[in-house]
Amino acid sequence: DIQMTQSPSSLSASVGDRVTITCRASQDISNYLAWYQQKPGKAPKSLIYAASSLQSGVPSKFSGSGFGTDFSLTISGLQPEDSATYYCQHYKSYPQTFGQGTKLEIK
Amino acid sequence: EVQLVESGGGLVQPGRSLRLSCAASGFTFDDYAMHWVRQGPGKGLEWVSGISWNTGSLGYADSVKGRFTISRDNAKKFLFLQMNSVKPEDTALYYCARDEGYQVGAIQHWGQGTLVIVSS
Repeated sequence: DIQMTQSPSSLSASVGDRVTITCRASQDISNYLAWYQQKPGKAPKSLIYAASSLQSGVPSKFSGSGFGTDFSLTISGLQPEDSATYYCQHYKSYPQTFGQGTKLEIK
Repeated sequence: EVQLVESGGGLVQPGRSLRLSCAASGFTFDDYAMHWVRQGPGKGLEWVSGISWNTGSLGYADSVKGRFTISRDNAKKFLFLQMNSVKPEDTALYYCARDEGYQVGAIQHWGQGTLVIVSS
């Protein structure tokens, strides 16, 4: 199975900052990589698919990049509502797997 | 508007069975692959299973393979998860989710989840 490893596990940033979360796959997954946002007590929300394509309705402050084994999610112009846990997920093959999550706190 | 409404969760004893359902509306159900994703208490997301638009492609997490079965009724717009021989570690909030396409790929829309508790 393909393992997904995110870093950092948690981070704290200020309003207006830009942050980057990284996700590494244990083997080449091409661009079969998605990112999701989950706020406490809520269902996840889909942000990005195919490593860099924004889901409909997702603001352009979110951006994704990467190919092969190394990927990143960048969030610019941080606002309090961006406080959440972010997950990457590969869908290259079965079973799909998620990263362990990155908890983002806005100071 | 895409709506996914899960049902069928509850308290079940270890070793017993449970069937989860997901009612879909607001889109052409048989144009899309579907998924089940779960989240244990205080834990991260775990992909459980996925099914293509025509059931031609099915996949399972190693942790549920051989015990869980995913299926769909395109005419009635329902997704199902048959859970057999449940274990305490199957305790989780189970989300139904719609793919972005007809083959199993990235998730685009999520339901609100149904809670399954496995305990004696």
